[in-house]
Amino acid sequence: AQTIHQWPVAEIKAVGSPLSLGCTIKGKSSPNLYWYWQATGGTLQQLFYSITVGQVESVVQLNLSASRPKDDQFILSTEKLLLSHSGFYLCACPGEKNNQAPLFGEGTRLSVL
Amino acid sequence: GEKVEQHESTLSVREGDSAVINCTYTDTASSYFPWYKQEAGKSLHFVIDIRSNVDRKQSQRLIVLLDKKAKRFSLHITATQPEDSAIYFCAASPNSNNRIFFGDGTQLVVKP
Repeated sequence: AQTIHQWPVAEIKAVGSPLSLGCTIKGKSSPNLYWYWQATGGTLQQLFYSITVGQVESVVQLNLSASRPKDDQFILSTEKLLLSHSGFYLCACPGEKNNQAPLFGEGTRLSVL
Repeated sequence: GEKVEQHESTLSVREGDSAVINCTYTDTASSYFPWYKQEAGKSLHFVIDIRSNVDRKQSQRLIVLLDKKAKRFSLHITATQPEDSAIYFCAASPNSNNRIFFGDGTQLVVKP
């Protein structure tokens, strides 16, 4: 069965510190992968998507970057966190079969202080 | 690109009543419309979807209607229960492997 694992579950970080969030997919090869951000109580904002290793497209600029170092891994990072980076980060990929809805990871809750 | 509008930002109903959440989309190429539920503090979980080859789909207490002419689709939750309380997101996509475009979410509150 297809699974998405995100790490860490939660982070509390200081403004100006670096960040790295991870996402690993199991059970599907060469999936499209997506990063979403949700401000507290807010709407979903797609940040990045990747269709293959080494290729990442940015959807919105939030002083974040993403990388796809392996087929099953998607990393979200920044050198310097801002207060506005606080929120809920979600990784997603297409469903296991072609007729299934996209699957979301359990998310990482980030608090920047 | 596609733009999905979710018309109700909040919706409050009494337990046992029906709840209806309405969405519209702009791109005629969109053919896949999933709905997700987000409980407080948790991730999004798929609840039901509909494809453009049908105009109605039901799964237990959930009914999705699609009007391709009007580019409108809706989620009907019948016989609501307190555990239905959550944020519901509608979405549209050319197909389930492509980018998914989300509405802004509807906070549903089911009062006992």
